Amino acid sequence: QSALTQPASVSGSPGQAITISCTGSSRDVGGYNYVSWYQQHPGKAPKLMIYDVSHRPSGVSDRFSGSKSGNTASLTISGLQVEDEADYFCSSYKSNSPYVFGSGTKVTVL
Amino acid sequence: QVQLQESGPGLVQPSGTLSLTCAVSGDSISSDNWWTWVRQPPGKGLEWIGEIHHTGGTAFDPSLKSRLTLSIDKSKNQFSLNLTSVTAADTAVYYCATNYGVNRYFDCWGQGTLVTVSS
Repeated sequence: QSALTQPASVSGSPGQAITISCTGSSRDVGGYNYVSWYQQHPGKAPKLMIYDVSHRPSGVSDRFSGSKSGNTASLTISGLQVEDEADYFCSSYKSNSPYVFGSGTKVTVL
Repeated sequence: QVQLQESGPGLVQPSGTLSLTCAVSGDSISSDNWWTWVRQPPGKGLEWIGEIHHTGGTAFDPSLKSRLTLSIDKSKNQFSLNLTSVTAADTAVYYCATNYGVNRYFDCWGQGTLVTVSS
């Protein structure tokens, strides 16, 4: 299955805001409001950060927000902190599959 | 709070069968959850493998469907994955995860287990 397209890396200084994009097609991101985002620290399991495009699970900081426009979803981290340094993966419900993940983005805090 | 724990051999011979089990605690395997497998090749991204519901419903990644079997053992409150004819490309950390009902996201994950395909 073809992964959703994410930038390989994004960086920012502490306190800044960064945005990670996740581009798919009308068969996945554009066709459903079922985009989720996961944070993964090295050697650890993924952790759900955003679901259904823009909803935050209980316990996730409100510095994390999600949105979608057309076939592209975005995760924004505001007030970047050192502990936000991790890999981030998007996921979307997809016709025929039914799920597909993004290629992953490494976030570096400068 | 559901907890998941993967177990199985860490080394599998090429052309052999990869078998993993995910033990579920904190919830019944017969609850309205979809029990899911996801894998991550070393240094790469996440790959959705497939899911199973206690009613017998299943869904598979099309590229793995011909080699994949998922099952549930209600007496042991666990679910399992069997992947046949493995090659080095199947080397990965395998995670079990779950999504509840009609939710389309994975809110609970196991810690993952590394399976290496090598002779």
